[in-house]
Amino acid sequence: DQQVKQNSPSLSVQEGRISILNCDYTNSMFDYFLWYKKYPAEGPTFLISISSIKDKNEDGRFTVFLNKSAKHLSLHIVPSQPGDSAVYFCAAGNRNYGGSQGNLIFGKGTKLSVKP
Amino acid sequence: EPEVTQTPSHQVTQMGQEVILRCVPISNHLYFYWYRQILGQKVEFLVSFYNNEISEKSEIFDDQFSVERPDGSNFTLKIRSTKLEDSAMYFCASRLGYNSPLHFGNGTRLTVT
Repeated sequence: DQQVKQNSPSLSVQEGRISILNCDYTNSMFDYFLWYKKYPAEGPTFLISISSIKDKNEDGRFTVFLNKSAKHLSLHIVPSQPGDSAVYFCAAGNRNYGGSQGNLIFGKGTKLSVKP
Repeated sequence: EPEVTQTPSHQVTQMGQEVILRCVPISNHLYFYWYRQILGQKVEFLVSFYNNEISEKSEIFDDQFSVERPDGSNFTLKIRSTKLEDSAMYFCASRLGYNSPLHFGNGTRLTVT
């Protein structure tokens, strides 16, 4: 039951170019979407989030786009830097579900490699 | 910057043994979580904890699992009788409030032999 899907297990881009990481979801009850970055031997680190009432959120080099009708979100990193090389997880949740207000469903991750 | 700390970083145990994984969430955070990631698979929610009780748990979190906040700082995950399939990276996470993102610890790698 893959409610959150990241269909590309890996992505390789050149330094300075744009990285686009994609994520699809199936549960229309999700109203909150996040991207986490994970380096080896570390826990996931929050990167950026977007609420379902928005279609875009930007923070420096990172922009998340949400297309609710397509149940699709993407993370754009521009310009990409070698230090961005990590596994990126898409996560989704419903802030009113079950009273927990935070249990997230994660995708399997996309390993980004940024080559100098 | 405050962070979530987890100990030990690696725990090896024999099948059937009890293990306790320890976490110190960020001090002013109110919501606490355990997630796990089996090697090569996705990060999976186990349990959430708020106001000294479990607020939600997944199907994975069966009777073999329990959580506790024994004092004002620690948050523990106990597995009563470990199975081989419990081998995974276990991540503790905490958040300040309703609309805050999760902050994860670096994880405990549990190996059940």
